[in-house]
Amino acid sequence: GAVVSQHPSRVICKSGTSVKIECRSLDFQATTMFWYRQFPKQSLMLMATSNEGSKATYEQGVEKDKFLINHASLTLSTLTVTSAHPEDSSFYICSAVGQGLTEAFFGQGTRLTVV
Amino acid sequence: QQQVKQSPQSLIVQKGGISIINCAYENTAFDYFPWYQQFPGKGPALLIAIRPDVSEKKEGRFTISFNKSAKQFSLHIMDSQPGDSATYFCAASLAWKNTLTFGKGTMLLVSP
Repeated sequence: GAVVSQHPSRVICKSGTSVKIECRSLDFQATTMFWYRQFPKQSLMLMATSNEGSKATYEQGVEKDKFLINHASLTLSTLTVTSAHPEDSSFYICSAVGQGLTEAFFGQGTRLTVV
Repeated sequence: QQQVKQSPQSLIVQKGGISIINCAYENTAFDYFPWYQQFPGKGPALLIAIRPDVSEKKEGRFTISFNKSAKQFSLHIMDSQPGDSATYFCAASLAWKNTLTFGKGTMLLVSP
């Protein structure tokens, strides 16, 4: 199947700093990418949907100024957590869909810890 | 987002047994129902998916049963193995391109 690579897999940052997470589709062009947040032992919560070259659509309750999403190319989307605080600590997962594919493919996730 | 209700929250099955996880949905417009398997610290991986025009789909030891009138679907894992121990999520969407609505997940433990 198609591969979605997410980087980094783990990151620890200080409170108040910003962190960028990359999501790449390695062998297909991702027309749409999704960003999820997952707390321990809980389900995936959709944060935003991004289409290449356009602004991301954020779910209700997700601060777009705090979670900056950029989908500048058909193979790369980034999520930047700005001015991170301990409550932003979570597991962030991206997924991508592309033309001609019949399923969404997920990245391996990024464990963010804000100290 | 419409809710997808998943049960049980956790499940313990002996090796060789059948694991059954159930999901119910509300939005009759949903037309894609995937199941995902997630190991700790990893992203979800698609296990098997079904569309509402069939009542059952089988891939190896994994079977989805779909009841359109009851708005329910279930995952059956035959001959469960310790390596199947993971969290399973059902999901639903209006089409594979659209956003997935996930159930809350089921933690499966297959005892040796």
